[in-house]
Amino acid sequence: GENVEQHPSTLSVQEGDSAVIKCTYSDSASNYFPWYKQELGKGPQLIIDIRSNVGEKKDQRIAVTLNKTAKHFSLHITETQPEDSAVYFCAASKGGSYIPTFGRGTSLIVHP
Amino acid sequence: KAGVTQTPRYLIKTRGQQVTLSCSPISGHRSVSWYQQTPGQGLQFLFEYFSETQRNKGNFPGRFSGRQFSNSRSEMNVSTLELGDSALYLCASSFLTGGGQDNEKLFFGSGTQLSVL
Repeated sequence: GENVEQHPSTLSVQEGDSAVIKCTYSDSASNYFPWYKQELGKGPQLIIDIRSNVGEKKDQRIAVTLNKTAKHFSLHITETQPEDSAVYFCAASKGGSYIPTFGRGTSLIVHP
Repeated sequence: KAGVTQTPRYLIKTRGQQVTLSCSPISGHRSVSWYQQTPGQGLQFLFEYFSETQRNKGNFPGRFSGRQFSNSRSEMNVSTLELGDSALYLCASSFLTGGGQDNEKLFFGSGTQLSVL
């Protein structure tokens, strides 16, 4: 089955800095790559996703890049703010399965 | 519209007991998935129900079971609780008829925190 590795497990940055979280996947058939943000006491919330026919996608301060050849994808957050502090999960799934495999999460801490 | 609702929010049980957790999906969603979240193992997939049928199943023992009702509400049951079952149990809904690629997006509830003593 699919295996998703996520790094780093913890990331500490100063407000205003950029943050990058990286994930690799094992199944070349995977074609959907969502990112979820989980705040304390809440369930994960989808913040951005990318499909295998696209190399990069942006939404305001967040962006995701995908390298299908290397089988890795990354989340980029620019101009970080304290409210960006949360656990971020990457995931990968194959079209039609609807069951993503999640990475183990990255705890992002943004210091004011 | 209302989000995914999970009840109860917290549960404390003792070893050997059984527990039932409830999930009400977003209106119109036909799929409900259940995940176990622990600090060491991350998000582990338990099972998924679609139109009252279990469509996918993860690698959990038979003590973990679930069902889905005709209104898409779902319950999961854990029998003979073990200490290792202590976790946050999350449910996620998805799949609107005609939703296309958006059907791959999961909408999570806030979870039920289960503590087994």
